[in-house]
Amino acid sequence: SAVISQKPSRDICQRGTSLTIQCQVDSQVTMMFWYRQQPGQSLTLIATANQGSEATYESGFVIDKFPISRPNLTFSTLTVSNMSPEDSSIYLCSVRSQGRTEAFFGQGTRLTVV
Amino acid sequence: DQQVKQNSPSLSVQEGRISILNCDYTNSMFDYFLWYKKYPAEGPTFLISISSIKDKNEDGRFTVFLNKSAKHLSLHIVPSQPGDSAVYFCAASRYKLIFGTGTRLQVFP
Repeated sequence: SAVISQKPSRDICQRGTSLTIQCQVDSQVTMMFWYRQQPGQSLTLIATANQGSEATYESGFVIDKFPISRPNLTFSTLTVSNMSPEDSSIYLCSVRSQGRTEAFFGQGTRLTVV
Repeated sequence: DQQVKQNSPSLSVQEGRISILNCDYTNSMFDYFLWYKKYPAEGPTFLISISSIKDKNEDGRFTVFLNKSAKHLSLHIVPSQPGDSAVYFCAASRYKLIFGTGTRLQVFP
């Protein structure tokens, strides 16, 4: 399985500011994803990070709020922009290799917006 | 529209006994189903998966059963151990993973 490093592991941010979360994988992977887990909820897919092109967003998520970069096959960032307390969640990076069904997750970033 | 559902938010089982976690889905186009375990402050850990063309897959203490006609799958853990205490998510795959709401399993001595 891939080793996924996600930074920061947690942060407390002021409303109206932005936070960029980094995800580094120890091997080249085909697909990278960003998920959100709100308190007491399931994991919800935000977007698929595409190498060298714009991310593919799920319904309810937009690029202006959650800009994503993926400059190469092992690194991606998710920015949570203009934060409000409703953005307080755990944000998770996930990767999957071609031909494999299982996805692997980073340890998550616990974000609290005050 | 919740395509993957886990109707039991929690389950408590005695050590050594069987734990059965259930999951229902609505979309017959899913081609794989997976189970993940999540501890607090950690990301989900992959446990076991099953293809939609199978009805059973076993890996050590973990067995997943799939009933396509009922759109239902279950995870059996035998024997249950205190270290199995965690939140378990089922997920269904067609190009991307869709997760259920999770079941908190507590295994007591």
